[in-house]
Amino acid sequence: DGGITQSPKYLFRKEGQNVTLSCEQNLNHDAMYWYRQDPGQGLRLIYYSQIVNDFQKGDIAEGYSVSREKKESFPLTVTSAQKNPTAFYLCASSIGVWGQETQYFGPGTRLLVL
Amino acid sequence: KQEVTQIPAALSVPEGENLVLNCSFTDSAIYNLQWFRQDPGKGLTSLLLIQSSQREQTSGRLNASLDKSSGRSTLYIAASQPGDSATYLCAVIDTGNQFYFGTGTSLTVIP
Repeated sequence: DGGITQSPKYLFRKEGQNVTLSCEQNLNHDAMYWYRQDPGQGLRLIYYSQIVNDFQKGDIAEGYSVSREKKESFPLTVTSAQKNPTAFYLCASSIGVWGQETQYFGPGTRLLVL
Repeated sequence: KQEVTQIPAALSVPEGENLVLNCSFTDSAIYNLQWFRQDPGKGLTSLLLIQSSQREQTSGRLNASLDKSSGRSTLYIAASQPGDSATYLCAVIDTGNQFYFGTGTSLTVIP
């Protein structure tokens, strides 16, 4: 089946630890995105990538890092510099130029701090 | 900066009722507007996308309208069903290719 997968579904982080969230798509989409969702707030963009080996910061990139070595994969690392990482993280992809195409979302990863 | 507001935050209706969800945005210079559905603990599913040149889009029991000049969009759901219970999010993309989400309307359809 075509789609976007995110793993793990739940992730626990200890103080000072870096953790990586996985996002994989087999839709042959060029563009991929990471959002953070907090209760009572809309989704906020962390990073996006419109092509392999290129990515741009979104509104709340501080404390996060990404890579885009393969078209199918766009992992997000939550670093120890992110002081309030507890949230629901959503990955999305779209065919190409941002704004012209629908974004397709993965099932999300919930990150909790121990 | 674009601000997207959805009213009401929560809505509860009996099954079979027609209902309207509202989305407003502060900057009318948008590229398009999308409506999404989110089930608890899940990702988002795109329902309808309206380009800035369009006035409305329809899919089954769903109809979304767009009035750019007034900064408003509505999602109309006909003959609501318990399976429609979810959070509905609207999102606008402005001409700078920035994506802005509303906080959502949580809908409960009572059997």
